[in-house]
Amino acid sequence: GESVGLHLPTLSVQEGDNSIINCAYSNSASDYFIWYKQESGKGPQFIIDIRSNMDKRQGQRVTVLLNKTVKHLSLQIAATQPGDSAVYFCAENSGGSNYKLTFGKGTLLTVNP
Amino acid sequence: KAGVTQTPRYLIKTRGQQVTLSCSPISGHRSVSWYQQTPGQGLQFLFEYFSETQRNKGNFPGRFSGRQFSNSRSEMNVSTLELGDSALYLCASSPGTSGRAFSKGSYNEQFFGPGTRLTVL
Repeated sequence: GESVGLHLPTLSVQEGDNSIINCAYSNSASDYFIWYKQESGKGPQFIIDIRSNMDKRQGQRVTVLLNKTVKHLSLQIAATQPGDSAVYFCAENSGGSNYKLTFGKGTLLTVNP
Repeated sequence: KAGVTQTPRYLIKTRGQQVTLSCSPISGHRSVSWYQQTPGQGLQFLFEYFSETQRNKGNFPGRFSGRQFSNSRSEMNVSTLELGDSALYLCASSPGTSGRAFSKGSYNEQFFGPGTRLTVL
């Protein structure tokens, strides 16, 4: 598969556990944030997004938390499954346009059966 | 509905050559963005096109250029290739009806293609 990073932070969890992936963003003016999942050999896949006027948003098995005070974003995955194994990226619209995203370095999540 | 397609999937070039990569967005999508992904720098924004016009631009040298056609298909070109241009080039499509995704409560999710792996020897 495609290599998306040689020195990524890694998180290893057991199947069924909850996972928390963290991200520090750079621009206090950013007002739109997205989490993407990238599996080997594929392009990033949208998971969930959040606007800066919110501090929490929930999807199916995923929750994104936004702390603007410390410029921190987290992705919580409930009941993690082997299919969740991938690299996870946070992204922000630091350029002011939501079509010009700045991505974090990514976190490699490995789910052990 | 078919997803974003990129051609070719793999490409090998030598230094000094030029290359053209193609992206076909999801039908009906008018915005196409290009990103470069490398192990060292991660995902970096190149440029975005909407209705045949470059709407946003990243911090890449002029060797990197792009264009969009009336059917929303987009191409990006890299001239005078350097070894450091070896990367996975990703395009993403979106309805793109607004420069800001959150317009009147709507948002414009970006859908990524599988990428073109460019190797420069």
